[in-house]
Amino acid sequence: SYVLTQPPSVSVAPGQTARITCGGNNIGSKSVHWYQQKPGQAPVLVVYDDSDRPSGIPERFSGSNSGNTATLTISRVEAGDEADYYCQVWDSSSDHHYVFGTGTKVTVL
Amino acid sequence: EVQLVESGGGLVKPGGSLRLSCAASGFTFSSYSMNWVRQAPGKGLEWVSSISSSSSYIYYADSVKGRFTISRDNAKNSLYLQMNSLRAEDTAVYYCAREKRRNLDYWGQGTLVTVSS
Repeated sequence: SYVLTQPPSVSVAPGQTARITCGGNNIGSKSVHWYQQKPGQAPVLVVYDDSDRPSGIPERFSGSNSGNTATLTISRVEAGDEADYYCQVWDSSSDHHYVFGTGTKVTVL
Repeated sequence: EVQLVESGGGLVKPGGSLRLSCAASGFTFSSYSMNWVRQAPGKGLEWVSSISSSSSYIYYADSVKGRFTISRDNAKNSLYLQMNSLRAEDTAVYYCAREKRRNLDYWGQGTLVTVSS
């Protein structure tokens, strides 16, 4: 089955830029989506189709996808961005049609 | 406003059964595929099952195939997950989520299922 690998944690100071990677075999050929999950809350879609943002999501959240790595970038990080982030693709070749990454804990220092 | 509200979770013994429900509002439920996703305590997200808008297409993760059954009632704007032969490893928060273009754009708040003797 298709595997998405993320770093377990990323630490960033307020006002700086956080970059969260999502590695997968030829992931650049797939559409990647990103979710933010704060403690005790449901996931929220923050980026879809590699780099588009749902309404209400700040422009500080952006995404890119090429080769074997997709990246979620959070610019001008705020304390409220501290959360777990998951990447996701849809993989028709696997029984796990929705494949989630392992998740990354973003800590704001 | 899109709302998804899960219910039906609780404590059940290994081998037991439980039926989860998800009440949808704020959108045309019959036009969307729906999904169940679960999250074990302290773990990541795991997709469980999908059902197309008219129930024509249904998919399951290997981990639940043969034990769980997804269904929907478009007249009642409701999604269901019948869970049989429950195991300790099925312990998780279960979320229902709306599908849009191969992503999950709205999620419910989840319902906790605990499988323990």
